Amino acid sequence: DVKVTQSSRYLVKRTGEKVFLECVQDMDHENMFWYRQDPGLGLRLIYFSYDVKMKEKGDIPEGYSVSREKKERFSLILESASTNQTSMYLCASRTTSGYNEQFFGPGTRLTVL
Amino acid sequence: GQQLNQSPQSMFIQEGEDVSMNCTSSSIFNTWLWYKQDPGEGPVLLIALYKAGELTSNGRLTAQFGITRKDSFLNISASIPSDVGIYFCAGQLDTNAGKSTFGDGTTLTVKP
Repeated sequence: DVKVTQSSRYLVKRTGEKVFLECVQDMDHENMFWYRQDPGLGLRLIYFSYDVKMKEKGDIPEGYSVSREKKERFSLILESASTNQTSMYLCASRTTSGYNEQFFGPGTRLTVL
Repeated sequence: GQQLNQSPQSMFIQEGEDVSMNCTSSSIFNTWLWYKQDPGEGPVLLIALYKAGELTSNGRLTAQFGITRKDSFLNISASIPSDVGIYFCAGQLDTNAGKSTFGDGTTLTVKP
């Protein structure tokens, strides 16, 4: 079974802190994604990575950056956390061969005080 | 970017009732996907549709890929309490490098 793990289920940070959210997948998938989920707004794509060291901005990249130095790991960075970044963050991965399904991690609920 | 309109936003039903939800888009997709998110977890794929007009079942779930390629519906028959969760539709274009456009979700509550 594909497994996508995220470093924390719950995280509380202060305004202005630098925050790292880590995501690891164990199925050698090429594509990885970071979404944020807010009530009534569905899943909004923050950043997308085609493959190692390759990234593309999603729909809401402002205030975020990403890093993908190894194929299995995709990190989301909040350079200076703000209260409006309080949200649920979901990581997903997908293979480029075969089906279009994305496999999601359990999510990290981030609260910025 | 492309927008998906998913409805209804929420549903409150009695156990045993059937459920229907749908997604519409202003532009076409090559693939429609339906995911379910249990409370406290990430979404999990329920059904994938790859061809216009395709009707696919997975147990009590049935989904269809609209003929125009701009819409899809998901039906759940004889709902049970474990059907509770958020259901997302997602559309994908082959030319969009693996990215999906997600609907806003339908939150389903099932009363025993």
